[in-house]
Amino acid sequence: GQNIDQPTEMTATEGAIVQINCTYQTSGFNGLFWYQQHAGEAPTFLSYNVLDGLEEKGRFSSFLSRSKGYSYLLLKELQMKDSASYLCAVRVPFNAGNNRKLIWGLGTSLAVNP
Amino acid sequence: DAGITQSPRHKVTETGTPVTLRCHQTENHRYMYWYRQDPGHGLRLIHYSYGVKDTDKGEVSDGYSVSRSKTEDFLLTLESATSSQTSVYFCAISESEVTQYFGPGTRLLVL
Repeated sequence: GQNIDQPTEMTATEGAIVQINCTYQTSGFNGLFWYQQHAGEAPTFLSYNVLDGLEEKGRFSSFLSRSKGYSYLLLKELQMKDSASYLCAVRVPFNAGNNRKLIWGLGTSLAVNP
Repeated sequence: DAGITQSPRHKVTETGTPVTLRCHQTENHRYMYWYRQDPGHGLRLIHYSYGVKDTDKGEVSDGYSVSRSKTEDFLLTLESATSSQTSVYFCAISESEVTQYFGPGTRLLVL
């Protein structure tokens, strides 16, 4: 089966650092994505990891370990506007041929408090 | 994103009626997707397209059909709406079939 696990909720303080974990068990792996989704809005792309290691992009970093089926999203210098849901998604083979699809986690709702 | 629009943004309809949602892009991306997002389920792929007139089923395609007659438009039709199809529908586009970018969504309520 295909399964992605992330914590349901997290809270953190403005200016702090928070790490959101994602573990996955999938049939095949072609990369892992993190998206941010504010309430009532569309998901927006944050990061893509296909090789092991850390990818840094400003205040946001994403880490991948394929052997452990594990990723995390690290948010530094938290701001109030970072209060949102963070979605982990794994790209997997789908149907015949070279088709791929995303399997989505349920998201981690992050509340940043002053 | 400004390059993707969805219409309508909100719709209320009655059980048994057909409904068509439109996704329009100005990015000339080859790949387009329709998802639904429901509490407790996350995002689920309904149908996708890899070019004009080239479409395929996703994981929850029953009760839905799609058409793509132009690169910029991808239509999702609920043939006979049911209350279980009450959801938020997102369209997404991708240039390379890797990173997907989402439209603003359509909130559909089927009474």
